[in-house]
Amino acid sequence: AQTVTQSQPEMSVQEAETVTLSCTYDTSESDYYLFWYKQPPSRQMILVIRQEAYKQQNATENRFSVNFQKAAKSFSLKISDSQLGDAAMYFCAYRSYRSGGSNYKLTFGKGTLLTVNP
Amino acid sequence: GAVVSQHPSRVICKSGTSVKIECRSLDFQATTMFWYRQFPKKSLMLMATSNEGSKATYEQGVEKDKFLINHASLTLSTLTVTSAHPEDSSFYICSARDSHSYGYTFGSGTRLTVV
Repeated sequence: AQTVTQSQPEMSVQEAETVTLSCTYDTSESDYYLFWYKQPPSRQMILVIRQEAYKQQNATENRFSVNFQKAAKSFSLKISDSQLGDAAMYFCAYRSYRSGGSNYKLTFGKGTLLTVNP
Repeated sequence: GAVVSQHPSRVICKSGTSVKIECRSLDFQATTMFWYRQFPKKSLMLMATSNEGSKATYEQGVEKDKFLINHASLTLSTLTVTSAHPEDSSFYICSARDSHSYGYTFGSGTRLTVV
């Protein structure tokens, strides 16, 4: 079974600074999807970024970018120019590339609580 | 963008009663939906995968007779907590997978309190 590990329960960053959240995963599959989700205090889950394992290029969405190291099974999230609205719980998630039923499920890490200091 | 409507957002029920939570995809078809449980400041724990027109697949340790899942249409899945007890109090979140875009959209969650 796949596992996702987020080793930083909490992180803090100064507004306008850059922060990197760590995520490692364990899988025997060669193709899969990786995600970062944000859960603000409202508890609404919001997709931040998504990466397909077969793509070598790191995904980027505005101030958010990932460092995907397939061999090391590492998928870190970098937030640049941090804003107060970035404060949230961040979850790393894994999904198998296989199709059908339970293969579509997301396996989440335990999360990292990010605090942004003004 | 894709929207998933989850109701109710909050519910308080008496111990021994049943509670139904609805999850509806508003502008897309979802052949697969997921139900999660989340404790405060914890991760999402997958309870079951719901497939339209077939029985749900429950994760190990989840009581299927207690947490009844029905996915009768491409836009609606329901979770019924039967004979609720205080230990069932939690935050429940649904997620729907868009059959066409392959994206996942989450509902806003339901806070269940059993007294």
